Amino acid sequence: NAGVTQTPKFRVLKTGQSMTLLCAQDMNHEYMYWYRQDPGMGLRLIHYSVGEGTTAKGEVPDGYNVSRLKKQNFLLGLESAAPSQTSVYFCASNKTPGYGQFFGPGTRLTVL
Amino acid sequence: AQSVAQPEDQVNVAEGNPLTVKCTYSVSGNPYLFWYVQYPNRGLQFLLKYITGDNLVKGSYGFEAEFNKSQTSFHLKKPSALVSDSALYFCAVRPSYNTDKLIFGTGTRLQVFP
Repeated sequence: NAGVTQTPKFRVLKTGQSMTLLCAQDMNHEYMYWYRQDPGMGLRLIHYSVGEGTTAKGEVPDGYNVSRLKKQNFLLGLESAAPSQTSVYFCASNKTPGYGQFFGPGTRLTVL
Repeated sequence: AQSVAQPEDQVNVAEGNPLTVKCTYSVSGNPYLFWYVQYPNRGLQFLLKYITGDNLVKGSYGFEAEFNKSQTSFHLKKPSALVSDSALYFCAVRPSYNTDKLIFGTGTRLQVFP
């Protein structure tokens, strides 16, 4: 099992550009999450999904959109990137919220 | 407001000594509590969790955590620290049974010196 994978690992964008981060899991998990990690702020939840075709807002959803068209994939989109979105983005999944979450290796995004 | 606090940004301990990384929470109801570890340039790894039952829970790599309801704490402990334990540790809480999300603390950097 590959677990949770994220594509790409690194990306540099210019302000106003758009991009999509892909998260894939092969554990048949229902729940998937997107977090951003910033120094001194821990992990903050951007959006999450409780199953295929569902999405919900987390703590910091503004400027991001998500889609869960297939159970194994959870996409995070930035329509118009801003420097404040420079961060490390982590995807996670789990079977149910009572279980520990499995994290991907992260995507380091820099917006110039 | 529901929150998790990790009062120490960094904890320094000598190899072989016991270590404690502190976590306190503020949520209503009966929370689910978790500890995660993050090594440099890696994603978080699940260490252990408390849902119900025995207040002392054991997890991966020899770590354990003690749930204290009266003090609303869930401190991470290890009897004998290793240099390889040096990493960033996050406490997280699922506030109640009908919540899908976790609230993470800001993290504590553990540095174990040889």
